[in-house]
Amino acid sequence: KQEVTQIPAALSVPEGENLVLNCSFTDSAIYNLQWFRQDPGKGLTSLLLIQSSQREQTSGRLNASLDKSSGRSTLYIAASQPGDSATYLCAVIAGSNSGYALNFGKGTSLLVTP
Amino acid sequence: NAGVMQNPRHLVRRRGQEARLRCSPMKGHSHVYWYRQLPEEGLKFMVYLQKENIIDESGMPKERFSAEFPKEGPSILRIQQVVRGDSAAYFCASSPDIYTEAFFGQGTRLTVV
Repeated sequence: KQEVTQIPAALSVPEGENLVLNCSFTDSAIYNLQWFRQDPGKGLTSLLLIQSSQREQTSGRLNASLDKSSGRSTLYIAASQPGDSATYLCAVIAGSNSGYALNFGKGTSLLVTP
Repeated sequence: NAGVMQNPRHLVRRRGQEARLRCSPMKGHSHVYWYRQLPEEGLKFMVYLQKENIIDESGMPKERFSAEFPKEGPSILRIQQVVRGDSAAYFCASSPDIYTEAFFGQGTRLTVV
């Protein structure tokens, strides 16, 4: 069964810093990988989707990369802002052994201080 | 195109009652996923459905929990004889297929008193 791990569990940085969030998964036979953010008490907002054939995706200050062979993805946030404070979740959809559902990591809780 | 709609947003039930949680997927989306989130914990997969079919229910407790996604109408997650441990946020997501982006609703926060 697919296992998704996110490191670090928590991160606190001053405003303006560039930062990297890490995600690893055990089953490399994935269909896609998706990054989400979740604000306290709210639902999940989709940030980026990387198809299995892609290496990276960019949206504004966010850049996500995917290395299927090593089972890793990184989310790069440039010039962080206090509004980026949230929990960031990585999720993968893998094949029949993992049920075709989104498998989530436990998330990285990010705090950006002014 | 409205997003994924979940209702109610908040639900309070006494122990032993039934809870019904509804999820209307985005237009054109035939795949629905249900997740449970406990305070300070991650999202736990419960069940994955396509129209009129349960594809994977490996994350759903065998007793008291059931889910459906009928041909017409929303997907329903039903919890019978609720207990305090069922108190959690329940999220629904939908997608057109397994290859494209999934979108989440705002969740239903169930409190069992």
